[in-house]
Amino acid sequence: DAGVIQSPRHEVTEMGQEVTLRCKPISGHNSLFWYRQTMMRGLELLIYFNNNVPIDDSGMPEDRFSAKMPNASFSTLKIQPSEPRDSAVYFCASSRTRTGELFFGEGSRLTVL
Amino acid sequence: GENVGLHLPTLSVQEGDNSIINCAYSNSASDYFIWYKQESGKGPQFIIDIRSNMDKRQGQRVTVLLNKTVKHLSLQIAATQPGDSAVYFCAENYGQNFVFGPGTRLSVLP
Repeated sequence: DAGVIQSPRHEVTEMGQEVTLRCKPISGHNSLFWYRQTMMRGLELLIYFNNNVPIDDSGMPEDRFSAKMPNASFSTLKIQPSEPRDSAVYFCASSRTRTGELFFGEGSRLTVL
Repeated sequence: GENVGLHLPTLSVQEGDNSIINCAYSNSASDYFIWYKQESGKGPQFIIDIRSNMDKRQGQRVTVLLNKTVKHLSLQIAATQPGDSAVYFCAENYGQNFVFGPGTRLSVLP
């Protein structure tokens, strides 16, 4: 299996622009997680899905952030409008079950100028 | 990935020595724990896990110890190698998702 695939690996954008990050989980995994990693706050859970349904989005910073999982093999995390404080590395992870081992993608490094 | 940088505790060990990385977890109800390794520019990678009904688990060159009394987890790496240089995170699972610790940077000296 190719593992969790994220795109883009790097994104540089200007404040106010829309950013869309994409994730393809490992086939057969029922749970998908979006994490954000920063120097100040470490790894933070933003949202997770179980069987394509959002279960807990309490970690989403504010309404500018949204996530979707239209099918079992694809998820997006969207930021609109983006702000410099959104600069971070965003990780997608999947697992076979909601509480099982997480398999992480390589991350998307976002820089908002 | 962007490893948590300036504020990370750092452990420096000589190549060939054993390393011990510690982690204090927060919730006494946590029942599953994982150690992850994150190399620069990559996502966290699973190393070893342990459930709360155990106090020790061994893998290849790694051992995890769990002390539920004091909510403490440790990762022992035997014969540390240059390739072990990375940031190590413990993660605890209670309820519905994992919570990650701040991480420890392991630096292996030649």
